[in-house]
Amino acid sequence: NAGVTQTPKFRVLKTGQSMTLLCAQDMNHEYMYWYRQDPGMGLRLIHYSVGEGTTAKGEVPDGYNVSRLKKQNFLLGLESAAPSQTSVYFCASRRGQGGSYEQYFGPGTRLTVT
Amino acid sequence: AQSVTQLGSHVSVSEGALVLLRCNYSSSVPPYLFWYVQYPNQGLQLLLKYTTGATLVKGINGFEAEFKKSETSFHLTKPSAHMSDAAEYFCAVSDLTSSASKIIFGSGTRLSIRP
Repeated sequence: NAGVTQTPKFRVLKTGQSMTLLCAQDMNHEYMYWYRQDPGMGLRLIHYSVGEGTTAKGEVPDGYNVSRLKKQNFLLGLESAAPSQTSVYFCASRRGQGGSYEQYFGPGTRLTVT
Repeated sequence: AQSVTQLGSHVSVSEGALVLLRCNYSSSVPPYLFWYVQYPNQGLQLLLKYTTGATLVKGINGFEAEFKKSETSFHLTKPSAHMSDAAEYFCAVSDLTSSASKIIFGSGTRLSIRP
């Protein structure tokens, strides 16, 4: 199993450009999450999905959109990138609603917006 | 609501010394607790987790953590630090009040190892 994979690994955008980050998992997990990680701020939840076709907002959803058309994929979109969105983005998946289930993380996407 | 607090954003120990990373939690129900490790330029990886049963939990790379309900703590320890342990460590708790099955992460503790 590849686990959780993220594409791309690195990206540089100019202000106002758009892009989509792809997350894929091969563990048949129901739940998927997008986080951003910034120095001194830990992990902050952007959006999440509790199943195919569902999405919901996390702590910091502004400026991002998501889609979960297939169970194994969770896409994060930036419609008009801003320098404040410079960050490292992590995708995670979780088997289901049980509290004992851990999250599995991807390797991250490092995004710079100039 | 559940929450976790990690005491100390940065801990430095000598190689071979005891590692102790502190985590306290807040939960109105029996918690499910996790420790994750993040090596430089990588994603988070599960070290260990407490669900039910034995309060001393053993994880990978020689780490262990003890769930102490009376102290609402879940501190992470390793008897002898190795240079390869240098990383950021996150304590986390399942948010059982949320239908989204979220996990709440602490702010992280960066562990440095002195030669």
